[in-house]
Amino acid sequence: DAGVIQSPRHEVTEMGQEVTLRCKPISGHDYLFWYRQTMMRGLELLIYFNNNVPIDDSGMPEDRFSAKMPNASFSTLKIQPSEPRDSAVYFCASTDVLSDEQFFGPGTRLTVL
Amino acid sequence: QKEVEQNSGPLSVPEGAIASLNCTYSDRVSQSFFWYRQYSGKSPELIMSIYSNGDKEDGRFTAQLNKASQYVSLLIRDSQPSDSATYLCAVAEKLTFGTGTKLQVIP
Repeated sequence: DAGVIQSPRHEVTEMGQEVTLRCKPISGHDYLFWYRQTMMRGLELLIYFNNNVPIDDSGMPEDRFSAKMPNASFSTLKIQPSEPRDSAVYFCASTDVLSDEQFFGPGTRLTVL
Repeated sequence: QKEVEQNSGPLSVPEGAIASLNCTYSDRVSQSFFWYRQYSGKSPELIMSIYSNGDKEDGRFTAQLNKASQYVSLLIRDSQPSDSATYLCAVAEKLTFGTGTKLQVIP
């Protein structure tokens, strides 16, 4: 298996622009997670899905952030409009059991100028 | 109080020594605990999981869990320069990570 796939790996955009991050989980994994990592706040859970349904989005910082999972093999995290404080590494992870190991993708490094 | 707390370090140990990394958590009902290693610029990777009180050993790594004290630790024996990384403690039910401890193994 190719593991969790994320795209793009790097994204540089200007404040106010829309940003879309993409994730393909490991086949057969029913849970998908979106995290944000910064030096100041560490690794923060933004939202997670089970069987394509959002279960907990309490970590989504504000309405500018939205996430979708239209099918079992694809998810997006959208930021509109983007702000400089959104600059971070965004990780997608998946697992087949909620209490078990999560497998992380390589991350998307987002820079908002 | 943060849900999962770790000393940010850096923790510096000489090559061949034992590195001890500590983590405390606030939710008493937590049942699953993980240690991830993250190299600079890379994604976290699992190195140990522990679910029961006591010790769990895997090669040079030993995880220790004390649910009464809400404490989990990771020992790395015979530390190698390749162990230099940030170690993240995670508590599964709350899907919460600590901010990580940076370990430096000095040759």
